[in-house]
This record gives sequence, C-alpha cells and structure tokens, in this order.
Amino acid sequence: DTAVSQTPKYLVTQMGNDKSIKCEQNLGHDTMYWYKQDSKKFLKIMFSYNNKELIINETVPNRFSPKSPDKAHLNLHINSLELGDSAVYFCASSQTSGRAIHEQFFGPGTRLTVL
Amino acid sequence: GDSVTQMEGPVTLSEEAFLTINCTYTATGYPSLFWYVQYPGEGLQLLLKATKADDKGSNKGFEATYRKETTSFHLEKGSVQVSDSAVYFCALTYSNYQLIWGAGTKLIIKP
Repeated sequence: DTAVSQTPKYLVTQMGNDKSIKCEQNLGHDTMYWYKQDSKKFLKIMFSYNNKELIINETVPNRFSPKSPDKAHLNLHINSLELGDSAVYFCASSQTSGRAIHEQFFGPGTRLTVL
Repeated sequence: GDSVTQMEGPVTLSEEAFLTINCTYTATGYPSLFWYVQYPGEGLQLLLKATKADDKGSNKGFEATYRKETTSFHLEKGSVQVSDSAVYFCALTYSNYQLIWGAGTKLIIKP
C-alpha cells in the first residue's frame, strides 16, 4: 500500500488554465507539506498543514491555494497557470507531535507541464 | 539565517569507488541533520539522520557523522554501485515543521 499518494502523476495543460493536484497519506501523520522541485532539482517548501491548520506559507503566488479537508488529505489548486509553474510538485507528510524529530515521507511527485 | 551547502554535482564515479559528498551547514542552534535520496522518477526518501553532535547515521552502507566543530555532515560510502545513482539532499531542522534543504548533488555511477 502506498504511504503518500498523489494524483495525477503527469499533468500537461495550457497557460491560463486552472488545475488541482491531490495528495493522500495513510500513515496517520498529523502534518502534510507541498514542495516544488525545479528542473535543477532545487527543492522549495510551499505550504505545510498541521491538523488541517496552515502553519507554513512561504512566498508563493496567491494563485496557489492549498486545501486540507482532513488530516489525511492536502490538495493544491493552481489558478491561471503560467509557464514558470512547470515543475515537479511533491506532497509529503510527517508526524510532528512529541519531542523526537521525525522524517518526512514523500509522494512520487506530479510533473506539471504548462504549454 | 540557517543554510545548507552541498558540493555541486554531478559527481561521476566508477562502480566500487569510494564516495564522499560534502555537506556543510550554518545554524544558530543545534539542529538535527539528514540525508535524503531521490532515485530517478521518484520522491525523496530518508537515507540517514543524526540528531546531536558526534552522532553517526548509517544505512545501506552509507554513513555520515554530525561534526559540530566543522559544521559538517559529509556522506560517505566505501564501495558504490550503479544502483546508488540518484540525487542526494542534505537537510537540517530544529523542529518537525520545516526542513532547510541543500541544493542536491547528482551522483552518477558508471559500470
């Protein structure tokens, strides 16, 4: 069973369109993340939710809107897509309660191509 | 602010060679340190971690030691295989909410 899953795996769309990426984790974790990885493999945190509350909101265009309907899901909606949004988007989750530092578990990524 | 610096890739080695990927960090406190690996077409996965100075993390033949005096966490492996070809990321954190990532180092192992 997949621990962190994302859909779709590939997304090709035209500039100006609106699209969503879905993420689900079955690990029982309380925190979920969205990352953007560019073509040079540089990884940038976008958002983080803890128990459905937004706790990290990095400098990201407001065309990007995360939504967490419950602790196991974190979706990413992107409005008015631009060429520069082309990247691989990773969802991740971790357990943040307690004093120990826990690893983040990553999904397989969604490769977004904006034409 | 806190940061992580990794050696620039790609690093190209022959099979069975010794591997070192350098990672140094700048931190105001005492973070935990991680190495993550990303195989082609996949998400990142934890390779090893160390939570305090002088700790050694190890996994799958890879090792890294948390060196506070040199602010380093270099990744080493004694004999690499073609299957080790991947991108390796060094990262630090003070809390569970946010990791500070290095830029990644691509490793290519030739048979």
